[in-house]
Amino acid sequence: EAGVVQSPRYKIIEKKQPVAFWCNPISGHNTLYWYLQNLGQGPELLIRYENEEAVDDSQLPKDRFSAERLKGVDSTLKIQPAELGDSAVYLCASSLDRPGTQYFGPGTRLLVL
Amino acid sequence: GQSLEQPSEVTAVEGAIVQINCTYQTSGFYGLSWYQQHDGGAPTFLSYNGLDGLEETGRFSSFLSRSDSYGYLLLQELQMKDSASYFCAVIDTVGSSNTGKLIFGQGTTLQVKP
Repeated sequence: EAGVVQSPRYKIIEKKQPVAFWCNPISGHNTLYWYLQNLGQGPELLIRYENEEAVDDSQLPKDRFSAERLKGVDSTLKIQPAELGDSAVYLCASSLDRPGTQYFGPGTRLLVL
Repeated sequence: GQSLEQPSEVTAVEGAIVQINCTYQTSGFYGLSWYQQHDGGAPTFLSYNGLDGLEETGRFSSFLSRSDSYGYLLLQELQMKDSASYFCAVIDTVGSSNTGKLIFGQGTTLQVKP
């Protein structure tokens, strides 16, 4: 079984530029999550999807961040414009129906200069 | 507010046993999970406790006491490859319903020495 796939793995951009991250969850997993992880910290939820519906986006900075999950499978997270403080690892995870069990992708390491 | 506390660093020798504690104060609680993350890698699910008591999975065990808002991860027969960060995570609730949302602690860096 293929795991969660994310791309790109690394991204370096200048501040004020846009950036997008892509995630393909494990086949059949209806729940998809985007997390942000700063160095030395635990992951923090940005948005959670049940199929194509965003059921929790309370921690997504909506002035610059947006996300979509078309057809309830792949998802894209976008930042426009990026700020220096957005430098972090962006993790995508998916889950089925086992409590507390999420499967994470390798993440995208973003560096904003 | 939501807070989880775990030690920032733990050091142990190969073959030993180590316990990583986690205390939590959250508005909702459905269960406690543990994740392992190697440097530059993805968090990997280790264990889940929905009820009080001990769950054992190979060399790893996890314990939960709801009344004490406390849990721990126990790693036995430590190996060098166990050097990683370990995160406890609370499953949030709305009422008594599982929201699926995980709230992570800051992580404990475990260093296993020869």
